[in-house]
Amino acid sequence: EPEVTQTPSHQVTQMGQEVILRCVPISNHLYFYWYRQILGQKVEFLVSFYNNEISEKSEIFDDQFSVERPDGSNFTLKIRSTKLEDSAMYFCASSSHHRDEQFFGPGTRLTVL
Amino acid sequence: AQRVTQPEKLLSVFKGAPVELKCNYSYSGSPELFWYVQYSRQRLQLLLRHISRESIKGFTADLNKGETSFHLKKPFAQEEDSAMYYCALSYSGTYKYIFGTGTRLKVLA
Repeated sequence: EPEVTQTPSHQVTQMGQEVILRCVPISNHLYFYWYRQILGQKVEFLVSFYNNEISEKSEIFDDQFSVERPDGSNFTLKIRSTKLEDSAMYFCASSSHHRDEQFFGPGTRLTVL
Repeated sequence: AQRVTQPEKLLSVFKGAPVELKCNYSYSGSPELFWYVQYSRQRLQLLLRHISRESIKGFTADLNKGETSFHLKKPFAQEEDSAMYYCALSYSGTYKYIFGTGTRLKVLA
């Protein structure tokens, strides 16, 4: 069964550094999402992406964040200058249609020191 | 603002006992409700959604618009049901899921 994959599984970085989190959505899916979960808190929506543009974003998704689909398979989340409070588990998800089930990846744990 | 509330952080039941995981939502329109489950060291996966009205792994959930609830129930809990359960809300006009804080279910032998 096809799955969403994410790399790396764990990323440690220094405050102020740029990080890129990578995701490979399910191949025939058209809608892509990033969520994050700070330890002990709820899973929070960051951004959705469709047809090579952002379709919706949350208040969390400020100018420090960007998303890109650089080729036909990858979907990336970039944080330009990481802050301590960016430490969280970041989940990628994809769906075949808007309002269909979102399939989640295993997550990337980002630790900002 | 739209919100999902799962009042229990932890729910412990004995094997064979009934289980009910509570979920309440706040949304004035027609919601779409989901239950996602996360087993130890595994990814979030859809357990069920209200529009399908299916029973998955013996779990059912009924949308009660009057009480704005979508509680997850199973008549006889199994040890393999031990996991983290998240209730999620979506609705027309948005792409996002709004998650609750989750309930950890522990089924004791």
